[in-house]
Amino acid sequence: GAGVSQSPSNKVTEKGKDVELRCDPISGHTALYWYRQRLGQGLEFLIYFQGNSAPDKSGLPSDRFSAERTGESVSTLTIQRTQQEDSAVYLCASEQGANEQYFGPGTRLTVT
Amino acid sequence: KQEVTQIPAALSVPEGENLVLNCSFTDSAIYNLQWFRQDPGKGLTSLLLIQSSQREQTSGRLNASLDKSSGRSTLYIAASQPGDSATYLCASYNTDKLIFGTGTRLQVFP
Repeated sequence: GAGVSQSPSNKVTEKGKDVELRCDPISGHTALYWYRQRLGQGLEFLIYFQGNSAPDKSGLPSDRFSAERTGESVSTLTIQRTQQEDSAVYLCASEQGANEQYFGPGTRLTVT
Repeated sequence: KQEVTQIPAALSVPEGENLVLNCSFTDSAIYNLQWFRQDPGKGLTSLLLIQSSQREQTSGRLNASLDKSSGRSTLYIAASQPGDSATYLCASYNTDKLIFGTGTRLQVFP
């Protein structure tokens, strides 16, 4: 069956611009997660959705970052006024019970 | 706050060797522990998931163990192959998210 998909796979943007990253979870998965991996570093948790609600957004690094989920399906992560330190691979994962997360291929964001 | 550490950070071995990758965590109140493989430029592939009530899981040449009381997990790779070359990540599931280690970068040469 179809796995988690993310788009775009790569995004290059100029400093100060806004970007939107998209995640399509596995159909029927109620939980959705966003993580970030900066070059040479480990994965950092950003935000978690259960259905369309975000009970834990403790990992969002600043108020320039926001995320939403609609229809208990697709999620978008928006970064406003991008900075160079936002350059990273943004990974999305979904989960349906058993606490096992399935990851998408990621979006590589480069801020110039 | 959960901290996950992986040792070694990098490993280079000849084909055929048996390997042990180590993962330690500071908070034993975990729901499960998951091992992933990450290939350059790609996402994460789940290898094994050990529930908190379990001691080990096996899949093919891979075996992962979990000792919650000591805060340790190991991933054993038998008869390593060049195709095993990748970064291996362990992650503990705490409350509502995965906490990742920084990974072990494995290279298996022919």
